[in-house]
Amino acid sequence: GQNIDQPTEMTATEGAIVQINCTYQTSGFNGLFWYQQHAGEAPTFLSYNVLDGLEEKGRFSSFLSRSKGYSYLLLKELQMKDSASYLCAVVGGSYIPTFGRGTSLIVHP
Amino acid sequence: DAGVTQSPTHLIKTRGQQVTLRCSPKSGHDTVSWYQQALGQGPQFIFQYYEEEERQRGNFPDRFSGHQFPNYSSELNVNALLLGDSALYLCASSLTGATNEKLFFGSGTQLSVL
Repeated sequence: GQNIDQPTEMTATEGAIVQINCTYQTSGFNGLFWYQQHAGEAPTFLSYNVLDGLEEKGRFSSFLSRSKGYSYLLLKELQMKDSASYLCAVVGGSYIPTFGRGTSLIVHP
Repeated sequence: DAGVTQSPTHLIKTRGQQVTLRCSPKSGHDTVSWYQQALGQGPQFIFQYYEEEERQRGNFPDRFSGHQFPNYSSELNVNALLLGDSALYLCASSLTGATNEKLFFGSGTQLSVL
C-alpha cells in the first residue's frame, strides 16, 4: 500500500515564497506528480519528478528525494491566483497515481 | 482542441438509486481513469480503462462499474447508491497510461445522494 502525507492548510503573503511538503511511503516507486486544483475546478498538472533533485519551471519548482520519501513544491513570487489546493500524487508499484489529501494554500495581500 | 468533457455537471439522487456518469477523453487519448473526490480529500482511484477493458481497479466495491466505448469515451455506473457516495467524480485521460504521463482531468460530476 501507499501512505502520502501533506499539510492540510498553509497561508502565505502575496509576493512571498512558500514550500509545500509531501512525504510518502510506497512499495515500488515510479514517479511523483504535483497538481493544482482551484475550488470547483479540475486538477491541472504542475510537475513530475522521477529522479532525485530539483525541477524548475517558471515560478514553480519541485524537489524529490527518493531515499527520504520526500518531495516539496516551491512557489515563488506568490500571486493571489495561486490560492488553491496542491495535490501530491505518487506512482508506486501499481503504476497508478495515488493522491494525497491535498494542501489548501491561502494567499493573502 | 476539446479537453476532457464530463456530463452531467451536477446530479442529485436518492439512496438505492443507480447513476451513470459520462466522460469523453481529450482528443487523441485512449486511456480513461475515474477518480472519486470527497470534500476536502484528494482524488481516490476507482478504475482505469484501455482498449475497452478495465486495466486496473482501486479499492471500490462491485457497485462501481464502468465501460469504455470504441471511440474511447467512458461511463461510470454506480448501483445501490449510499449517502457516502456523495462526491465529485473526476474523469482523467492520458495518451497511453504510461507512468510518467500527466493526467488531463475533466471538471467532474458533483453527485449528491440524499
